[in-house]
Amino acid sequence: NAGVTQTPKFRVLKTGQSMTLLCAQDMNHEYMYWYRQDPGMGLRLIHYSVGEGTTAKGEVPDGYNVSRLKKQNFLLGLESAAPSQTSVYFCASSTGWAEAFFGQGTRLTVV
Amino acid sequence: GENVEQHPSTLSVQEGDSAVIKCTYSDSASNYFPWYKQELGKRPQLIIDIRSNVGEKKDQRIAVTLNKTAKHFSLHITETQPEDSAVYFCAATDSGSARQLTFGSGTQLTVLP
Repeated sequence: NAGVTQTPKFRVLKTGQSMTLLCAQDMNHEYMYWYRQDPGMGLRLIHYSVGEGTTAKGEVPDGYNVSRLKKQNFLLGLESAAPSQTSVYFCASSTGWAEAFFGQGTRLTVV
Repeated sequence: GENVEQHPSTLSVQEGDSAVIKCTYSDSASNYFPWYKQELGKRPQLIIDIRSNVGEKKDQRIAVTLNKTAKHFSLHITETQPEDSAVYFCAATDSGSARQLTFGSGTQLTVLP
């Protein structure tokens, strides 16, 4: 049972480049979330999804887009990366009524 | 939306002492309050949670208390050990259909041997 898997684990981008982070879960969870983690600021919600085909904005959505075409996958896209998007990104999934399970994180550096 | 505040941001205790971390939330409709532990370079993992219909929950050395009237909840770790050293996050989930999980800013706990 893999749980929640994120790819890639590490990435370095140049300013203006684009990339997609993939999150996959095998627990049949309806709810999926993308967070960014910066020192001293906890985990801040970027976007979330309450089911296949749905997405919604969280606390810090600017500069990011998401898609959930399949229930098990939640993609986070950066269209034009900026140094302010240097962070550790975590994906999570849950039933919505209990524990959220996290992926192992993606460390992104934008230079 | 929900706002969760967490204190203190850093906490150092001697091995064997107790540690207490406190959180407050803003949305009175929130009904699920998990606590996560994150070791350096690792993902956050649930250590204990509590629902709004319960005032206290205990699991071995860890306990959580919830005061709905005051909108605050606390994590208590007794008989601390060096392996308890980590960052701890509180969180609150709203009761609406979005089920957004909002986190506090974290507490770096250091247990000194």
